[in-house]
Amino acid sequence: AQSVSQHNHHVILSEAASLELGCNYSYGGTVNLFWYVQYPGQHLQLLLKYFSGDPLVKGIKGFEAEFIKSKFSFNLRKPSVQWSDTAEYFCAVKGYGGSQGNLIFGKGTKLSVKP
Amino acid sequence: EPEVTQTPSHQVTQMGQEVILRCVPISNHLYFYWYRQILGQKVEFLVSFYNNEISEKSEIFDDQFSVERPDGSNFTLKIRSTKLEDSAMYFCASKGQTWVTDTQYFGPGTRLTVL
Repeated sequence: AQSVSQHNHHVILSEAASLELGCNYSYGGTVNLFWYVQYPGQHLQLLLKYFSGDPLVKGIKGFEAEFIKSKFSFNLRKPSVQWSDTAEYFCAVKGYGGSQGNLIFGKGTKLSVKP
Repeated sequence: EPEVTQTPSHQVTQMGQEVILRCVPISNHLYFYWYRQILGQKVEFLVSFYNNEISEKSEIFDDQFSVERPDGSNFTLKIRSTKLEDSAMYFCASKGQTWVTDTQYFGPGTRLTVL
């Protein structure tokens, strides 16, 4: 069965610090990968996605993620975080095996950015 | 920008009661989903719906759950006899016509509290 692991439950950073949130998935076939963000009191919004091509994907608000197939990873990065990046971040995978169409989510990483 | 909307934002019910959670997907979307997130846990897939029928469901989606698209705009999730463990945030999502590449857009969620 597919699964997604996000290793950091809660990350606390100061403004301007660099961010990297880990995401690993278990699925041997072709995958689509996503990062969603949930700001306090708001709904899940897509940050970025990977389907094919360049493994370095750029998303909104200065975020990027790198798909490393050999490591089954899709880590999220941002060189300099802002207070407004405080939110919960979810990695998700959609596979092309028996389970198609639905997203498998990680547990989420809560990011707190101190001003 | 089109959005997925959900009503109500918060539903409180007594154990054993029936609840209906409502969603209005983005108007030209064809694939519809329900997910739930129990407090402190990951977002979990419940069911996907396409062409007026369930295309996939998880083991969570037992006989107590049902989905319906009663008209051209609403997509509902019904829980027939709620249990305490059904307390969660329920998210509706919809996706456009291209199955492979389109992104799922999420609604703001309905917080269900079962007493």
